[in-house]
Amino acid sequence: ILNVEQSPQSLHVQEGDSTNFTCSFPSSNFYALHWYRWETAKSPEALFVMTLNGDEKKKGRISATLNTKEGYSYLYIKGSQPEDSATYLCASDMKSSGDKLTFGTGTRLAVRP
Amino acid sequence: EAQVTQNPRYLITVTGKKLTVTCSQNMNHEYMSWYRQDPGLGLRQIYYSMNVEVTDKGDVPEGYKVSRKEKRNFPLILESPSPNQTSLYFCASSWWGRDTEAFFGQGTRLTVV
Repeated sequence: ILNVEQSPQSLHVQEGDSTNFTCSFPSSNFYALHWYRWETAKSPEALFVMTLNGDEKKKGRISATLNTKEGYSYLYIKGSQPEDSATYLCASDMKSSGDKLTFGTGTRLAVRP
Repeated sequence: EAQVTQNPRYLITVTGKKLTVTCSQNMNHEYMSWYRQDPGLGLRQIYYSMNVEVTDKGDVPEGYKVSRKEKRNFPLILESPSPNQTSLYFCASSWWGRDTEAFFGQGTRLTVV
């Protein structure tokens, strides 16, 4: 299994703060990078699927960037709100993996009102 | 509404008693997979299926079986559950193609005593 690493493991911020976290993945054989948001007692939900080096995607206050040459992706949340509290998962899809996603352990975000 | 439905949501069983966790999706997705989530570890793939009657092992298949007799259903079978299979299980489906997002079920929390 090739490792996907996420940092930090957890993060506590104040409402209104902007924050970002990192996903590192093996850059060789890269095909796609997924970001999911997972709220407690719910299903993980897709935020972004990114494939191109330099790609940047945005959904509301959340955006993500991708660097496939160095093997990392950043997720940014602008003006965090309590409803952003969740675990954010990234997953890498490698060319050799037959569509299998390899997940990181997630970054748990808590936003204080 | 597009969804992946797992049942049951919670299950406590005894060692050795066969059980099945059902998974059904209504999006006509070709690709379905099962993951388990354990503390400190990322989601790990157990089995996947690329279409009807096509299944293959993921990273942690020992102790599990699956079948894909119909496109919409992908049950996970534990023939003789053991305590080390106590975990949170997720079923997921997606279109075949590596830049497509996965849709997850609500999760099944299994405890084997």
